[in-house]
Order: sequence, then C-alpha cells, then structure tokens
Amino acid sequence: KAGVTQTPRYLIKTRGQQVTLSCSPISGHRSVSWYQQTPGQGLQFLFEYFSETQRNKGNFPGRFSGRQFSNSRSEMNVSTLELGDSALYLCASVAGQNTEAFFGQGTRLTVV
Amino acid sequence: AQTVTQSQPEMSVQEAETVTLSCTYDTSESNYYLFWYKQPPSRQMILVIRQEAYKQQNATENRFSVNFQKAAKSFSLKISDSQLGDTAMYFCAFMNSGYSTLTFGKGTMLLVSP
Repeated sequence: KAGVTQTPRYLIKTRGQQVTLSCSPISGHRSVSWYQQTPGQGLQFLFEYFSETQRNKGNFPGRFSGRQFSNSRSEMNVSTLELGDSALYLCASVAGQNTEAFFGQGTRLTVV
Repeated sequence: AQTVTQSQPEMSVQEAETVTLSCTYDTSESNYYLFWYKQPPSRQMILVIRQEAYKQQNATENRFSVNFQKAAKSFSLKISDSQLGDTAMYFCAFMNSGYSTLTFGKGTMLLVSP
C-alpha cells in the first residue's frame, strides 16, 4: 500500500508570491490534515479536510487555504508569502477518527 | 483547548541503555488518545505508540512502553535497549475523542551514542 505522498519535496519562493502544495493520502483514507513545522513554533495544525469539506481549522491567517478533491487528494495554498512562512509543511492522512495519522515526508518551503 | 508539554528539549543515552522521555498535557476531556511520534533526520513522522485514555493498561510496542498517569495527566515514553536508529526527535501528541487532528508538544531530541 503506497504511503502519503507530498509534492514537491522542496520549494523556494519569493516574498509576495503564492504557492500550492499537494498531498495524496493513503488509498481509502478520507481525512487529510495539514501541519506547519518550524523550529520556533513546533508543529501547528493548519486545517483538516474530510470528504471534500473543511472539517477543522487551526489558528492561521486567511492567506492559508486548502481544498480536497473527490479522490481525497488535497492541496494547500499560501498567498502573499512572508518570510515567516518558511517551514516544513506536513500532510497526514487518517483512516477514521481516533486512529493513527500517517504522515508524508513533507514539503520544505523556503521564502526569500 | 488542549496543550502538550515536553520539558526535555534534548536527551542523550548510550546504546543498550534505557531512557525515559516526559510528556504532560492539559485537557478537560475525559476521553482522548495519546501518541508518541518519532521524526528522524529523514523528516518522516512515524508512530511509535498509541494509548487510549479509557484504558488503564499501559501500551507496549517491543522496546517502547509508556507510563500513562491519567490523574496526573502524564504520558512518558520509555525506550529500552536503545539503538543508534532511535536517534530522532520524539513528539508527544494528543487527539480528542471523535477527532482526527493532533496537538503536538515541542518535541525532545534524543541522541543515542555508541
């Protein structure tokens, strides 16, 4: 069974640009969550999608958005990038509530 | 809102020794789930062990075991017979019952030396 796939693995963007990250969950998993990991703030929850609907949202500005497609693949978008958005973005897929979250290898975003 | 605290930013242990990583959490819920995840330098977050709050018995997975003290809101991870491959960042995480999202602690960097 294929794991969680995140693309791209690395990304360098300029301040003010926008970026789209992609996550393909494990087959059959309908819940996809996104987390931002930085040295200072640690791992912070961005949002969760289930069956194409945003089910939960963390405390991030509106520049961060996401969506989920009918095949459960998810994308997150960050508009008007700031230097502070430099981080490792992790995607996790879950088979059901209160079960193990499986993580992708992450996308390392650097904003210059 | 739940919070998870890991008070040890870094720890070192020698191969074959035993080490315990600490985690405390704060919640007003009575039913929830606790996890320990491991993140090696490859960045891949891997589940180490899972504990349901309603189960009094401490979870065990091979060399990994937990000491779950619900009243004290404490969830420590014990690694026995440490191996070089155990070198990684370890995160304690909380999941509310009925949810799929995690609240993480800041992590503990564990270095296992020969």
